[in-house]
Amino acid sequence: GAVVSQHPSWVICKSGTSVKIECRSLDFQATTMFWYRQFPKQSLMLMATSNEGSKATYEQGVEKDKFLINHASLTLSTLTVTSAHPEDSSFYICSAREGTRNTGELFFGEGSRLTVL
Amino acid sequence: AQKITQTQPGMFVQEKEAVTLDCTYDTSDPSYGLFWYKQPSSGEMIFLIYQGSYDQQNATEGRYSLNFQKARKSANLVISASQLGDSAMYFCAMREVYGGFKTIFGAGTRLFVKA
Repeated sequence: GAVVSQHPSWVICKSGTSVKIECRSLDFQATTMFWYRQFPKQSLMLMATSNEGSKATYEQGVEKDKFLINHASLTLSTLTVTSAHPEDSSFYICSAREGTRNTGELFFGEGSRLTVL
Repeated sequence: AQKITQTQPGMFVQEKEAVTLDCTYDTSDPSYGLFWYKQPSSGEMIFLIYQGSYDQQNATEGRYSLNFQKARKSANLVISASQLGDSAMYFCAMREVYGGFKTIFGAGTRLFVKA
């Protein structure tokens, strides 16, 4: 199957700093990428849909100024958590849909665990 | 709005036996896809099986089968011959075609396989 890579896998930062997480599709072009957030022992909550070359579409309740998403190319989307606070500590997972496929599974990155001190 | 419900927070199964994980969904979109993913403690999401809303037959992938009952809006996952490595979180998910291909996940079921 297709490969999606996330970086970094782990990040620890101080409160007030910004953290950038990258999501890359390695062997296919991803016109659409999705960013999820997962708290411990909970499900994946969709944060936003990222479309290449356009602004991301955020789910209700997700602060777009807090979670900046950029999808500048067909293989890269980035999530920047701005002015991070301890409550932003979570597992962030990206996924990608191959541009030509209308069905089939999403391909997930390995996830990025953010801890804000 | 689409909705996915998994009512079993945790399930136990004896090794080598079969287990069914329940999933019901709700959508007004006539075209949708249903998925099951496995998430081990490492956190990665592993795709298991897919069922399209227009598929006539239940999907199967090795030891995994999806019991798709469209009228009841259920998409239960059946794991046959459980193995110790099957212990993990299992998520049911749904994607609406007309909903921008967003995939929404259920709350998950933690499966414990006993030796």
